[in-house]
Amino acid sequence: QVQLVESGGGVVQPGRSLRLSCAASGFTFSSYGIHWVRQAPGKGLEWVAFTWSDESNKFYADSVKGRFTISRDNSKNTLYLQMNSLRGEDTAIYYCARRGDSSSWLDYWGQGTLVTVSS
Amino acid sequence: EIVMTQSPATLSVSPGEGATLSCRASQSVSRDLAWYQQKPGQAPRLLIYGSSTRATGVPARFSGSGSGTEFTLTISSLQSEDFAVYYCQQHNAWPLTFGGGTDVEIK
Repeated sequence: QVQLVESGGGVVQPGRSLRLSCAASGFTFSSYGIHWVRQAPGKGLEWVAFTWSDESNKFYADSVKGRFTISRDNSKNTLYLQMNSLRGEDTAIYYCARRGDSSSWLDYWGQGTLVTVSS
Repeated sequence: EIVMTQSPATLSVSPGEGATLSCRASQSVSRDLAWYQQKPGQAPRLLIYGSSTRATGVPARFSGSGSGTEFTLTISSLQSEDFAVYYCQQHNAWPLTFGGGTDVEIK
């Protein structure tokens, strides 16, 4: 079955960096685009970033553009999110989610990893 | 950016009753609209995509409709497991955007 497992979250000071990982299994990872979506404590969902299966194009929310970088290693079935210059407002659960077959609905989600930005 | 607005914010429903959730887009998204269900402490789960197509394994009591800027998620005869927060999301244009959610609570 399709599985997405995030890791790499934790407590980090403002201005520092963190890299999240999303390990995929149960499907042909190299054939699917993957998203990052976040959810601040007690708040709604916010789309963060997306990469096509071959990294031919990437998209970012304005709130993270220039600070976050999405990448993937198809040989390791793993997606990454490099987060630099972290701010308090980046505190959230970060989910990776698979793009649907023909458009950007999100059909499978990981369980999420919590990032807390605090001094 | 396309702004998605959900109403109501909270919906109190008795088990066995039906519920109608609304989602409005600030500009047309055609039929590129998805609905998700999220329970406390869990990741969101895809219910509906393309406005009206149920995802794999989603019960028939969930149905979606609408196009352009107005969309509806209907849950007929709510079961105990349906009490949750529901989000809409447009998948028509970048950046992808979500509505603020509707909390369906037990009356």
